Amino acid sequence: NAGVTQTPKFQVLKTGQSMTLQCAQDMNHEYMSWYRQDPGMGLRLIHYSVGAGITDQGEVPNGYNVSRSTTEDFPLRLLSAAPSQTSVYFCASSRLGSGGGNSPLHFGNGTRLTVT
Amino acid sequence: GENVEQHPSTLSVQEGDSAVIKCTYSDSASNYFPWYKQELGKGPQLIIDIRSNVGEKKDQRIAVTLNKTAKHFSLHITETQPEDSAVYFCAASASAGGFKTIFGAGTRLFVKA
Repeated sequence: NAGVTQTPKFQVLKTGQSMTLQCAQDMNHEYMSWYRQDPGMGLRLIHYSVGAGITDQGEVPNGYNVSRSTTEDFPLRLLSAAPSQTSVYFCASSRLGSGGGNSPLHFGNGTRLTVT
Repeated sequence: GENVEQHPSTLSVQEGDSAVIKCTYSDSASNYFPWYKQELGKGPQLIIDIRSNVGEKKDQRIAVTLNKTAKHFSLHITETQPEDSAVYFCAASASAGGFKTIFGAGTRLFVKA
């Protein structure tokens, strides 16, 4: 029962570098999303997807790209890392309930990213 | 877009007392209101949720109430225990809004033994 798996757990980047945060789920969930968590600001939605081939922007999408080629995977790409992207990143997934209703999110354990 | 406000940001109670956390939301189309608990170094985990066609829901020591007219919902924890110490988040989402889940800023709860 892996649930939602995020890799890596920790990452240090220099300003301007690019990288991909990986997220995989084995629950056949249609919905996947990325959040960043900063002190005092809660969890802010970066991007989300309601199924393979479909992605949309959340509250804070600038500087990040996503794609959803399979149901299981939802990678988050930082194109040119900036110190303002220092944060803890969480991936979460859920099923889309019958009749289109929302369902609880299942979270990974996060990736702690530092950009120097 | 949806905005969720959560109060207080920090809450300290004695073991055995009750704790109440309050949230307000802005989007009248929101129809699903989950609460999550986050322990140190881990991702948030669902503790209870409520849908817009229900006014109150209870699960042992935890209850949630929803007032759709006023656009606010609250988490009530009774008989608090030290293991309840954690960060709690409220959230709101709307099926019509693409299922985006928007979170409050969180409440750090300390339960003193």
